[in-house]
Amino acid sequence: DAGVTQSPTHLIKTRGQQVTLRCSPKSGHDTVSWYQQALGQGPQFIFQYYEEEERQRGNFPDRFSGHQFPNYSSELNVNALLLGDSALYLCASSLSLTGRDTQYFGPGTRLTVL
Amino acid sequence: QKEVEQNSGPLSVPEGAIASLNCTYSDRGSQSFFWYRQYSGKSPELIMFIYSNGDKEDGRFTAQLNKASQYVSLLIRDSQPSDSATYLCAVTLSYNTDKLIFGTGTRLQVFP
Repeated sequence: DAGVTQSPTHLIKTRGQQVTLRCSPKSGHDTVSWYQQALGQGPQFIFQYYEEEERQRGNFPDRFSGHQFPNYSSELNVNALLLGDSALYLCASSLSLTGRDTQYFGPGTRLTVL
Repeated sequence: QKEVEQNSGPLSVPEGAIASLNCTYSDRGSQSFFWYRQYSGKSPELIMFIYSNGDKEDGRFTAQLNKASQYVSLLIRDSQPSDSATYLCAVTLSYNTDKLIFGTGTRLQVFP
């Protein structure tokens, strides 16, 4: 049973550039959530995708956008990168059931912005 | 007041002892509670989830939930050096069950 996968593992970009991160959910899951984890902090919710639509969004600017494909995989795009965007980006997948969604995390993508 | 609060630690316990990790939350209506373990440089790994008041045991791990006092705890029995990691508490809010709200985590150190 394949778990959540993410690519790439590491990424180095410069300020102002754009980046795309990818996620494939655990087999049987239909919902993908993205989180940003800065050093020494807990993960912060960016947004969640279900049925190819953004269902929920956290307090992140519009520079952060995403997409979900018919096979449930997802992308996170960040435009006009800032130094403060350097973080571990985590994808979590779940099966959408009311109020009891248990989220499983992928290995993450470490983004460094120079 | 933060939505989820944890002592950052480090919590140091000797091998074989019981490690007790605590978490408080502010939303009285929260329904779902999770404990994740995160090794340095790795992603969070789900250890336990609990929805009802009381204790839930899984191997060496016991999650305890007290909704009246708004706290959830994780006990690790027979602690091993391999348990040394950061433990993240996460809850869902009563008015928004789609996202997890995390604490900053407690760093646990188990020494031989």
